[in-house]
Amino acid sequence: SYELTQPPSVSVSPGQTASIPCSGDKLGDKYACWYQQKPGQSPVLLIYQDNKRPSGIPERFSGSNSGNTATLTISGTQTMDEADYYCQAWDSSTGVFGTGTKVTVL
Amino acid sequence: EVQLVESGGGLVQPGRSLRLSCAASGFTFDDYAMHWVRQAPGKGLEWVSGISWNSGTTGYADSVKGRFTISRDNAKKSLYLQMNSLRAEDTALYYCAKDPGSNWGTDSWFDPWGQGTLVTVSS
Repeated sequence: SYELTQPPSVSVSPGQTASIPCSGDKLGDKYACWYQQKPGQSPVLLIYQDNKRPSGIPERFSGSNSGNTATLTISGTQTMDEADYYCQAWDSSTGVFGTGTKVTVL
Repeated sequence: EVQLVESGGGLVQPGRSLRLSCAASGFTFDDYAMHWVRQAPGKGLEWVSGISWNSGTTGYADSVKGRFTISRDNAKKSLYLQMNSLRAEDTALYYCAKDPGSNWGTDSWFDPWGQGTLVTVSS
């Protein structure tokens, strides 16, 4: 079965840039999206179709996807961005989520 | 405002059945595919099942295939998940989520999500 791998954790200082990779076989040939989940809350869509932001999502969130890796970048990270982040793609009409990355802002 | 409200979760013994519901409002329900996604306690997200706008296409994760059945009632603006032969590993918070299109495909995503309903499978 298809797998998407993310680092378990990423640490970033406030105001700095955080990059979260998501690796999967030929992921660049698929569309990737990203979700943010804060403790006790439902996931929220951050990025869809590799690099598009839904309305209401701050511009500091951006995405890219090429080769075997999709990347979520948080520019000018804020303390409110501390959360779990999941990538997601489709493989043969089956939804696949990444393993998740906990972003700590300190 | 789009709203998705799940219900039907609870404590159930292994091997028994449970039916989850998701009530939708704020959008034309029968125009969109819908999905169930679950999250075991302290774990990551797992796609469970999806259904097209007219129920013509359904899909399941391997982990639930043959045990779970997704359905919808467009007149009632509701999505369902019939869960049979439940196992301890099915214990999770179950979310329903809206697809951007009428049938999900390689460019689908989940937005928005409901608040989830908790299913606990234990004797």
